[in-house]
Amino acid sequence: AQKVTQAQTEISVVEKEDVTLDCVYETRDTTYYLFWYKQPPSGELVFLIRRNSFDEQNEISGRYSWNFQKSTSSFNFTITASQVVDSAVYFCALGAYNQGGKLIFGQGTELSVKP
Amino acid sequence: EAGVAQSPRYKIIEKRQSVAFWCNPISGHATLYWYQQILGQGPKLLIQFQNNGVVDDSQLPKDRFSAERLKGVDSTLKIQPAKLEDSAVYLCASSYWGAGINTEAFFGQGTRLTVV
Repeated sequence: AQKVTQAQTEISVVEKEDVTLDCVYETRDTTYYLFWYKQPPSGELVFLIRRNSFDEQNEISGRYSWNFQKSTSSFNFTITASQVVDSAVYFCALGAYNQGGKLIFGQGTELSVKP
Repeated sequence: EAGVAQSPRYKIIEKRQSVAFWCNPISGHATLYWYQQILGQGPKLLIQFQNNGVVDDSQLPKDRFSAERLKGVDSTLKIQPAKLEDSAVYLCASSYWGAGINTEAFFGQGTRLTVV
């Protein structure tokens, strides 16, 4: 069975701190996608990143970085120098290789960045 | 580029009433999804359309939920009759289909349903 676990329900940090959001997944598929989405208070899920299972290269985009480790089935997300605008619920999701929108979501991590 | 449009944004109904949600996907996206997001949980897929055909509706409670996508563009999700446990945000998403692969999904702002 496919499953995504985000063990951190809520995280609170002070602005400019670095924060890492954990994601652990389970799948029997050998090829798959992993995603991170951001859900601000407005409710819309905003796509952040997609990673293929055969590409374990870490990625950095501005203040965001992602660490993908197949050996531990983890796909963690780090925000460097957090800002108040980063406050949102963040979801990690798992999808079949050829089904980029049919996703299994984790429970989400609510991040609160205080000024 | 316009995003995924959904309406209404909010709806309050009494249990046993019916309700319908509308979704207009991103232009050119052949695949459309309806997700249900209960408060404090991640979204759960209800149904997936490829053009106007159903690809996956295994988690759709078919005794009360129905969905259609006429002409392969707009879609409507209906609940009849509604139960208290249907209170949730209903998210519509769409993705591009090409070369046998669906790209990442783009989501609308959702419809928040409250059943009282």
